[in-house]
Amino acid sequence: GQQVMQIPQYQHVQEGEDFTTYCNSSTTLSNIQWYKQRPGGHPVFLIQLVKSGEVKKQKRLTFQFGEAKKNSSLHITATQTTDVGTYFCAGPPGGFKTIFGAGTRLFVKA
Amino acid sequence: EPEVTQTPSHQVTQMGQEVILRCVPISNHLYFYWYRQILGQKVEFLVSFYNNEISEKSEIFDDQFSVERPDGSNFTLKIRSTKLEDSAMYFCASSLRRQGGTDTQYFGPGTRLTVL
Repeated sequence: GQQVMQIPQYQHVQEGEDFTTYCNSSTTLSNIQWYKQRPGGHPVFLIQLVKSGEVKKQKRLTFQFGEAKKNSSLHITATQTTDVGTYFCAGPPGGFKTIFGAGTRLFVKA
Repeated sequence: EPEVTQTPSHQVTQMGQEVILRCVPISNHLYFYWYRQILGQKVEFLVSFYNNEISEKSEIFDDQFSVERPDGSNFTLKIRSTKLEDSAMYFCASSLRRQGGTDTQYFGPGTRLTVL
């Protein structure tokens, strides 16, 4: 079946440093979504990318969707302590099913 | 801002017992989902529901699981005979349009199920 892989599993950064998480799917995705889950919280939708090669920005967050629509990345510039949490990518292979990556847990040290 | 609600927040049950997890999706949403997350692991899709029927389900969603929309507002997940490995956080989500389109899934706060 379709798999969505994410690396790294964990990332420790000093506040102010940049952070990137990478997502790879074993199959082509119609779109990719990114979610953030704070410790003890629920996934919160951040963004959806649909087009091949698409790049979107939300303040300090930059999201990219690969040309082949099989990979994606999330880059955070100048991390803050409020960025702490787990970032998941998720993709629907088709239909109504969403496959989540394992997530990258971000720790930010003040 | 409208939100998805779930009850109870925590359910403790004995192995073999039936449990029903309840969700109230956002009122004008049409697509409903259940996910589970075992502690420290990724979010796993269980089932999607549209127009009063299951539209897709995962391998996890076997005969022990069922979903229902008993009235215009509630969306329930029933586990008939719970197993220890069913212990997890269960999230309900809803969206206005199917997730293949440009739409957002809104997640509820989750129900933590503990099977003893």
